[in-house]
Amino acid sequence: SQKIEQNSEALNIQEGKTATLTCNYTNYSPAYLQWYRQDPGRGPVFLLLIRENEKEKRKERLKVTFDTTLKQSLFHITASQPADSATYLCALDRDLNQAGTALIFGKGTTLSVSS
Amino acid sequence: DTAVSQTPKYLVTQMGNDKSIKCEQNLGHDTMYWYKQDSKKFLKIMFSYNNKELIINETVPNRFSPKSPDKAHLNLHINSLELGDSAVYFCASSQDGRTYGYTFGSGTRLTVV
Repeated sequence: SQKIEQNSEALNIQEGKTATLTCNYTNYSPAYLQWYRQDPGRGPVFLLLIRENEKEKRKERLKVTFDTTLKQSLFHITASQPADSATYLCALDRDLNQAGTALIFGKGTTLSVSS
Repeated sequence: DTAVSQTPKYLVTQMGNDKSIKCEQNLGHDTMYWYKQDSKKFLKIMFSYNNKELIINETVPNRFSPKSPDKAHLNLHINSLELGDSAVYFCASSQDGRTYGYTFGSGTRLTVV
């Protein structure tokens, strides 16, 4: 069955360092991969989307890579700040039938940035 | 202005009761969704509606019934609530999720006692 794994449940880093989060998937060939941020008691917030024909995407301090051979995406936050502390979710856009698509999520990595 | 709003935010109820959760989006999106986040924080798709028409129904018990009175609203009605239904339920919407992503509500925490 299709599986999405975010290797670390928790990641602790110091302010100013680069946080790197990993998302691996199996039994699936997604055309798109998305990253979301979720704060406690809140819904996921869309951050970045990358297509299968794109190797890398950037948005301010965020960078996402997508390696369809390795079936892996890396999510980087450079110059991390305590305000970046949150749970980050990897999601694949999957066709569930001919008319519909929906996001299939990994369990998330909770990032803690200490000052 | 809240883009996707859900009510109530918290819902505590007894086993066997029937309850509803309401969702409204003011983004003009065509597609709305219900997701369930369990105690292990795993988010799973339940239903998807496109322009008031059900297009996805993922192995959800018949006790769960979505209703979309119009494109901007998607409600979730749950009959005969069970302890295992306790979770956070998120409503979401998208216009072109593969280009612009999906917009989620803040969630409804349902506790069945």
